[in-house]
This record gives sequence, C-alpha cells and structure tokens, in this order.
Amino acid sequence: QKEVEQDPGPLSVPEGAIVSLNCTYSNSAFQYFMWYRQYSRKGPELLMYTYSSGNKEDGRFTAQVDKSSKYISLFIRDSQPSDSATYLCAMGPPGQNFVFGPGTRLSVLP
Amino acid sequence: GAVVSQHPSRVICKSGTSVKIECRSLDFQATTMFWYRQFPKQSLMLMATSNEGSKATYEQGVEKDKFLINHASLTLSTLTVTSAHPEDSSFYICSARTSGGSRDNEQFFGPGTRLTVL
Repeated sequence: QKEVEQDPGPLSVPEGAIVSLNCTYSNSAFQYFMWYRQYSRKGPELLMYTYSSGNKEDGRFTAQVDKSSKYISLFIRDSQPSDSATYLCAMGPPGQNFVFGPGTRLSVLP
Repeated sequence: GAVVSQHPSRVICKSGTSVKIECRSLDFQATTMFWYRQFPKQSLMLMATSNEGSKATYEQGVEKDKFLINHASLTLSTLTVTSAHPEDSSFYICSARTSGGSRDNEQFFGPGTRLTVL
C-alpha cells in the first residue's frame, strides 16, 4: 500500500460545480497536510496548509482533514475554467519530508 | 506565500555538457531544500534533500555523481547536471521549506527549469 493514495483522474466538471478532491494515507504520524495546484509547465503552488485535524477555508477553497479516517479533502466551490490544473496533496510527520500524492488532473469546462 | 525563484527557467544544451540550476528562497531562510524532477503528465519525483552546510541525501536510484547538489547558504541551493544526456531532459523543480515563525514547516516550490539535452 502506498503511503498516500490519490485518484489521478482526469476529472471533468462544468463551470460552477463544486469539486471534491481527496487523498487517503496510511501513516498515523502525519500531522501536516497541504494541497498544491500545478498548472502545466509550472511549479506547484501552495493552496492550503493545515496542521492536525479540522477544516480550513480560504475563499472558494475548503480543506478538511479527518485523521480518524486518514482522509483529507479539498473542496472548490463555484469552479472556474482557471481552476483547471493538477492538484496534489502532500502530508508528513513533524521533522520529516513530506510525501506527495500523484496529483488529480481537473478540467473545468466552460 | 513565500517566494522561491529558479534560474534559468529553460535551458537547451548539447549532450556531454554540464548545466547548473540555481534555486533561491527570496523572503525566508530555508535550512532544507529539495530537488524534484517531473516528466510530462507524471507526478513529482524527489531526487534529493539538501540541508544547508551538509551533504545532500539522495533518493534511491539517483546518481549523486551525476546530479551534484550544493546548499551553500540558507537561501541558495544549486543542482548541477554533469555530462548531460538526452535522457536527462526533464522539468526540474526545487522546493524550500520554512522553519520557525508563524509559517513553520511549509514547503514552497520554484517555477521549475525545463532542461532539453540535444
């Protein structure tokens, strides 16, 4: 079993839809959880950063961490064509390197 | 978010030459920096982790004599691809992690360097 699992997609949604992206993990020591967005031929951009459990909201983006289920989610409300990108989850324990998911390719269709 | 720059953004070189890529954290000090490579439509592959003032730790299968990493200061790490060959053509991305302060342990990426070896 991989440490971090993420559905690679591609995921296509119509403009305005709510998008749900998810990752599961196996290491209960993970405390830091992040979501990155990567446009084609660009470096990943940090979108959301969460320590331990709970929810975090930033504009149209909401990150959720459920440590009991070892499951994290990123929700995008009112999705826009400009949200079309690859979304990577990343996580790790204190003091160690983060582990990245393979990324989910999202297309928001106008 | 914090800013990480990379230079050059694109390089084309002949087979057998060496190429140096610079990675700088512009507004924070990074004791730990990372180098990744990424092939088209594939996920990030961690190549090595570098800590300022010490030798880099390479991932399994990455040739340390081919990919020389130097983390000379808290804001600069370099990756040198020595005697590059066409199979080294890829997208190289550096990353830096914050430590301490209000944004502890966040990892930021540079914009990437596209290397093409002819």
